[in-house]
Amino acid sequence: GENVEQHPSTLSVQEGDSAVIKCTYSDSASNYFPWYKQELGKGPQLIIDIRSNVGEKKDQRIAVTLNKTAKHFSLHITETQPEDSAVYFCAARLYNFNKFYFGSGTKLNVKP
Amino acid sequence: NAGVTQTPKFRVLKTGQSMTLLCAQDMNHEYMYWYRQDPGMGLRLIHYSVGEGTTAKGEVPDGYNVSRLKKQNFLLGLESAAPSQTSVYFCASSSRADTEAFFGQGTRLTVV
Repeated sequence: GENVEQHPSTLSVQEGDSAVIKCTYSDSASNYFPWYKQELGKGPQLIIDIRSNVGEKKDQRIAVTLNKTAKHFSLHITETQPEDSAVYFCAARLYNFNKFYFGSGTKLNVKP
Repeated sequence: NAGVTQTPKFRVLKTGQSMTLLCAQDMNHEYMYWYRQDPGMGLRLIHYSVGEGTTAKGEVPDGYNVSRLKKQNFLLGLESAAPSQTSVYFCASSSRADTEAFFGQGTRLTVV
């Protein structure tokens, strides 16, 4: 199977600063990498995703980068706001497998 | 605009009791998943289904059974609950294996 490691487990930043969360995966056959945000008491919600044929993707203040050679991908949040405070999960999907492997999560705290 | 609905939201079971968690989606998705979420361990796949009448094991299937008799419903059963099954359970659905998964609100299960 696939093994996804996520760091850091907790991250505290000041409002307006940037936040970076990193994930590594073990199987080079993984080809789809989504990021989910989970607010307290709710289910995870997709915020951005990237496929293996793309190196970077951006959506307003959120960006994801993928380095296939090193087998790692990162989530970048710029100009953080208190409403960005949540738990963030990365995930990877092996090509031709019908399931995702999730990282252990990062609790982001944005201090006003 | 329901999306993915899980019932119940909370449940307390005694060791050895049985119960069924219901997941319903109204998006006509082929793929459905059951995950459990434990502190520091992210989301772990219990069972999944790639279409009506199909089921498959995930990472942690022991002690659970599932059924997908109708496309819109995915049931998770615990035949004889154990304290180790105390967790938050999430159902998710997606149109394909490499597209956004939509999650339910979760079911908090406590086994005493």
